[in-house]
Amino acid sequence: AQTVTQSQPEMSVQEAETVTLSCTYDTSESDYYLFWYKQPPSRQMILVIRQEAYKQQNATENRFSVNFQKAAKSFSLKISDSQLGDAAMYFCASRTEYGNKLVFGAGTILRVKS
Amino acid sequence: NAGVTQTPKFQVLKTGQSMTLQCAQDMNHEYMSWYRQDPGMGLRLIHYSVGAGITDQGEVPNGYNVSRSTTEDFPLRLLSAAPSQTSVYFCASSYSMNRDRVRGYTFGSGTRLTVV
Repeated sequence: AQTVTQSQPEMSVQEAETVTLSCTYDTSESDYYLFWYKQPPSRQMILVIRQEAYKQQNATENRFSVNFQKAAKSFSLKISDSQLGDAAMYFCASRTEYGNKLVFGAGTILRVKS
Repeated sequence: NAGVTQTPKFQVLKTGQSMTLQCAQDMNHEYMSWYRQDPGMGLRLIHYSVGAGITDQGEVPNGYNVSRSTTEDFPLRLLSAAPSQTSVYFCASSYSMNRDRVRGYTFGSGTRLTVV
């Protein structure tokens, strides 16, 4: 079974600073895909970044990057130069190669202080 | 615009009433899913479908029915609404893993359902 755990219910960061959101996962499959989704107050689900498990290189999308530790089953999201528009709920999710399901963690609320 | 369309956006039901949440996608995605979002619990899978005529249960299927007669549509039926079904519901769709492994799911804008 797939499980995804986000142990930080809330995080705060000062504008322009860097913050890291934690995520751990568990799966019995050898190939899988990991995602971070952003959910602003509008409720829209926005894909922030994705990582293919067979790729050792950490994914990067502008100010967003991940630290993927496959052996530790850890997939953290780093947001650099935080902006007020980054304030949102962030969900970590996993999908297995043969899976039809996207499994989510409980989410982390990120607050950005000006 | 291509995407996932959910209706309605808001709904209030009385206990015991039934209703159908509509979901349609125009991207020819094989996979479609329904999730519910509750505070502190993330998004939990209710039902999913890997193609027309094929559905399966997710993590929290009780009290909900689905069917998939076409590739485009995947309605979610609440048979007899209960206050415990008060939640935000999301429909999502994606290509099969054979067609696109990494794009993830596209989500609808959600339905806020309140059962009183």
